[in-house]
Amino acid sequence: DAGVIQSPRHEVTEMGQEVTLRCKPISGHNSLFWYRQTMMRGLELLIYFNNNVPIDDSGMPEDRFSAKMPNASFSTLKIQPSEPRDSAVYFCASSNSGTGGYSGNTIYFGEGSWLTVV
Amino acid sequence: AQKITQTQPGMFVQEKEAVTLDCTYDTSDPSYGLFWYKQPSSGEMIFLIYQGSYDQQNATEGRYSLNFQKARKSANLVISASQLGDSAMYFCAMREANTGNQFYFGTGTSLTVIP
Repeated sequence: DAGVIQSPRHEVTEMGQEVTLRCKPISGHNSLFWYRQTMMRGLELLIYFNNNVPIDDSGMPEDRFSAKMPNASFSTLKIQPSEPRDSAVYFCASSNSGTGGYSGNTIYFGEGSWLTVV
Repeated sequence: AQKITQTQPGMFVQEKEAVTLDCTYDTSDPSYGLFWYKQPSSGEMIFLIYQGSYDQQNATEGRYSLNFQKARKSANLVISASQLGDSAMYFCAMREANTGNQFYFGTGTSLTVIP
């Protein structure tokens, strides 16, 4: 089975440019998560969706960041305009939220999008 | 309060020895899951092991076992017979059943296996 698929794997862009990161979750999973990882701040949850609906976006750093999930098989994270401090690895992950409050479904990560803003 | 606390930023272990990576958690939800992930230098996050709050026995997966002490709210990862390929960052995570299925991650422990 295909895992979580992210694109691009690597991106170098100039400050001020728009960056769009893409994610295809595992088929059948109904929860999708966007994380950012840096040396300074570790792994941070930016936003997560259940059944394509954003549930918690309190981790989104500022208005320059936006995320969408138009359908169950696709999500985007957009940064506009990008800044050097946005340089990080951005992970998309997916999970099945299960039923009846079951907590045992694990979260599977994509390989990450390595973003460098110069 | 931190949901997941990993107090060991870095650990060293001799090859073939066992090592324990600490994790404590904070929740009032009676139903939760605890997870460990490995992140090697290549960057991918690899799921290792899961423990449910109602599980009576400690989880095991090959050389990995989870020392689950519910009263102490700890979920330490034990790696037996360490191998050089075990050198990586290790993250403890928790999922609460009744709070929207969000995952909480600790800050990670960097493990170095010494030949």
